[in-house]
Amino acid sequence: RKEVEQDPGPFNVPEGATVAFNCTYSNSASQSFFWYRQDCRKEPKLLMSVYSSGNEDGRFTAQLNRASQYISLLIRDSKLSDSATYLCVVNRRGFKTIFGAGTRLFVKA
Amino acid sequence: EPEVTQTPSHQVTQMGQEVILRCVPISNHLYFYWYRQILGQKVEFLVSFYNNEISEKSEIFDDQFSVERPDGSNFTLKIRSTKLEDSAMYFCASSEAPGTGFSGELFFGEGSRLTVL
Repeated sequence: RKEVEQDPGPFNVPEGATVAFNCTYSNSASQSFFWYRQDCRKEPKLLMSVYSSGNEDGRFTAQLNRASQYISLLIRDSKLSDSATYLCVVNRRGFKTIFGAGTRLFVKA
Repeated sequence: EPEVTQTPSHQVTQMGQEVILRCVPISNHLYFYWYRQILGQKVEFLVSFYNNEISEKSEIFDDQFSVERPDGSNFTLKIRSTKLEDSAMYFCASSEAPGTGFSGELFFGEGSRLTVL
């Protein structure tokens, strides 16, 4: 089983749509959780950290369920500029941060 | 805004040649990392480095790879004898903390694309 698994995608949505990404992780010792965004042929960039209580940043909401080892990202009111690959990222105690394979999002006018 | 810088942006080399990829992490960061991404595939952890030594490495990081911090600013990845399958984008990253807790954000450089012929 992969350590971090994501919806394979791609997701094709119209502008203004709400889209949800799911992620599961296998190592119960994982401690920190993040969503990164990667544009085509660019470096990953932090979108948001994921807190146990859930957190929101503008149109983006992240949720964590430790019991189910599940992380989600909700994007409301999608913009064309949201088109990218969204990476679920998990860190367990120590220095090794593991990336999921990513889910590609296409937002169309 | 402070950033991680990498050189070269693209290197083409012949199989069997040695390659050195260079990175300048953010100046007040203490933790350094190399990741690689084969075209169309996921970002894979190679190695982390702290206090002038490797703190963790993946199974990908075999004897042909080495890292070094030769001075106070550079962090290098050396591939001793390149293979075709080493062709990938190599990302350097740095962080203030080792990825645990909310301060563990990784800041990535723009990557060095390695093409092995």
